[in-house]
Parts: sequence; structure tokens; C-alpha cells
Amino acid sequence: SQKIEQNSEALNIQEGKTATLTCNYTNYSPAYLQWYRQDPGRGPVFLLLIRENEKEKRKERLKVTFDSTLKQSLFHITASQPADSATYLCALVPSGGYNKLIFGAGTRLAVHP
Amino acid sequence: KAGVTQTPRYLIKTRGQQVTLSCSPISGHRSVSWYQQTPGQGLQFLFEYFSETQRNKGNFPGRFSGRQFSNSRSEMNVSTLELGDSALYLCASSEQPGQGLEQYFGPGTRLTVT
Repeated sequence: SQKIEQNSEALNIQEGKTATLTCNYTNYSPAYLQWYRQDPGRGPVFLLLIRENEKEKRKERLKVTFDSTLKQSLFHITASQPADSATYLCALVPSGGYNKLIFGAGTRLAVHP
Repeated sequence: KAGVTQTPRYLIKTRGQQVTLSCSPISGHRSVSWYQQTPGQGLQFLFEYFSETQRNKGNFPGRFSGRQFSNSRSEMNVSTLELGDSALYLCASSEQPGQGLEQYFGPGTRLTVT
């Protein structure tokens, strides 16, 4: 069956450290993979997008990698801050899926001072 | 530019009733998608509209329907509400007609069915 999985447990880290979040998928051939941030009671906010033929993308303190062989994407936040505390969602767009996003369940990140 | 707006923000309905939710995309955005978010199922894709045409649909029953107007505004309708329809309904818009583009989400409509 098709699945997209993220660590269900919350990730707790100290301020200043690098947070690494994992997204694994099964039986999909994604054309794109995206990462979003969601705060309680709000809609998701787009962070980064990576295409199937790309290995890595960066934006300021954020980095995403994509390994189509392992069927995995990693999302890194360097020099993390308490303001980075939120739920992070990965989403894939299957080939031919237009803008249909298939979301993982999300990983809650807590950055402690 | 103003962000995606959704109305109403909160809604309480009774089982068996129907409901219409509204979404205004960011100015110039022509693609509008709808998602349902629940604690148990997470974020699930409902449908996507582009230029008044539904071009993608998720695995939801026919009680869930939508439409898009010529000004790109969109509505979704749920008929014969069930308790399980209680959820946060999110609308998202994209700028271009391509695929896999970043999407801009609204704040959502919190629907409670009693």
C-alpha cells in the first residue's frame, strides 16, 4: 500500500542544535516533495520544495535532501531557536498529480532554551 | 498581497444538515485546492480546481463537492453531515497552472457537527 511516514514522536532539542526530521514514503513515485510548517490553529506554511531529480535544497537555516533510492527526505534546521517549535509536515506530489499534496502526519518539534 | 481567506472561520452544524464553505485565493492565483484535517487522519486532499474545472479529486464520498467561479473564488459543500465530518477544512491556492507548486494555505474553517 502507499504510505508517507514521519516520526510520530515529538522531537525535543536544545536551542542552537540542528534538528533533523525524516520523511519516508512507500509505493509512490513523487515528482516533488515539499515541507510545510504548521502552528496550532493555523494553516500550513510552505518552507521548501525539492524535485525528484534534485539532491539538496537550502534556504537560510533550512536544508532539505531527497534520496529517491532510499525513498526518503530529510529536513534540517540549523542553529534552532525556540521560535522554530511547531509541527513540520512533509508532502509529496505524485507524478501527474498536479497540485495534489499527500501529507505525512507531521513531526512536532520543540526547541528548548 | 492579501493571503488566502476562508469564511466562516467557525461553524457548528447538526447531523444531516448541509454546509457551504468559501475560499478566496490570493489575487492572481488560479488554482485552488481543499483539504480536510483531523487528528486521526491528518491532512487529506479533497479536490483541486483550476479555471473553474475540477482537475483532481481525493477519496471522499460524493457528499463532498466543490466549485470554482470565474474570479477563482471557490466553495465546497458537504451534504448530509455526519459526526465524522467534524474537522478543520483548509483551502490552498497556487499561482501557476503547473504541478507541484508551493501552496498558500488559508487559516481554515473549523466545522463541528453535533
